[in-house]
Amino acid sequence: AQSVAQPEDQVNVAEGNPLTVKCTYSVSGNPYLFWYVQYPNRGLQFLLKYITGDNLVKGSYGFEAEFNKSQTSFHLKKPSALVSDSALYFCAVRDITSGTYKYIFGTGTRLKVLA
Amino acid sequence: DADVTQTPRNRITKTGKRIMLECSQTKGHDRMYWYRQDPGLGLRLIYYSFDVKDINKGEISDGYSVSRQAQAKFSLSLESAIPNQTALYFCATSPWGPDNEQFFGPGTRLTVL
Repeated sequence: AQSVAQPEDQVNVAEGNPLTVKCTYSVSGNPYLFWYVQYPNRGLQFLLKYITGDNLVKGSYGFEAEFNKSQTSFHLKKPSALVSDSALYFCAVRDITSGTYKYIFGTGTRLKVLA
Repeated sequence: DADVTQTPRNRITKTGKRIMLECSQTKGHDRMYWYRQDPGLGLRLIYYSFDVKDINKGEISDGYSVSRQAQAKFSLSLESAIPNQTALYFCATSPWGPDNEQFFGPGTRLTVL
């Protein structure tokens, strides 16, 4: 079965420091991977995705993610964190093997950027 | 995202009541989804629909039903609400194609007393 794991419930980082939010996946076949962000009282917003091609994917708000096939990981990164990046982040994988094309979400990681 | 709207935004109800949550979209997407979000559990899929005539159960469909009234409208009903259905509910849409992302509504916070 397809799945994603976000091993950290919360990540704290100082403003200006680089940040990493971790995601690992388990899929059969090629993974279709996504990152979303949820700000308070808002729905999820798409940040970036990996479908194929370069392992480093660039997305919205200065975020990027590195796809690592050997480690089955898709970590979200940003070189310099902002207080406004504080939010809940979700990794997701698309189930393309069963024909349902459902999205499977991780449990989320709360990012707290400290001023 | 104003392209996907949900009503109501907040609802408090009592055990045993029937509740309907509504979702409308102007993105022209065929695929629509209903999720619930609980702390520590992420998003769990309740129902999804690939077009007006195609509705499928997700992983937690018990106690819920849906109606796809049109391409743009997808409603979620709780036939007899119970307290453990207290959660944040999201509607989402996506276009055809495996590599497309979803677009989410702002959510409905439902409290069942």
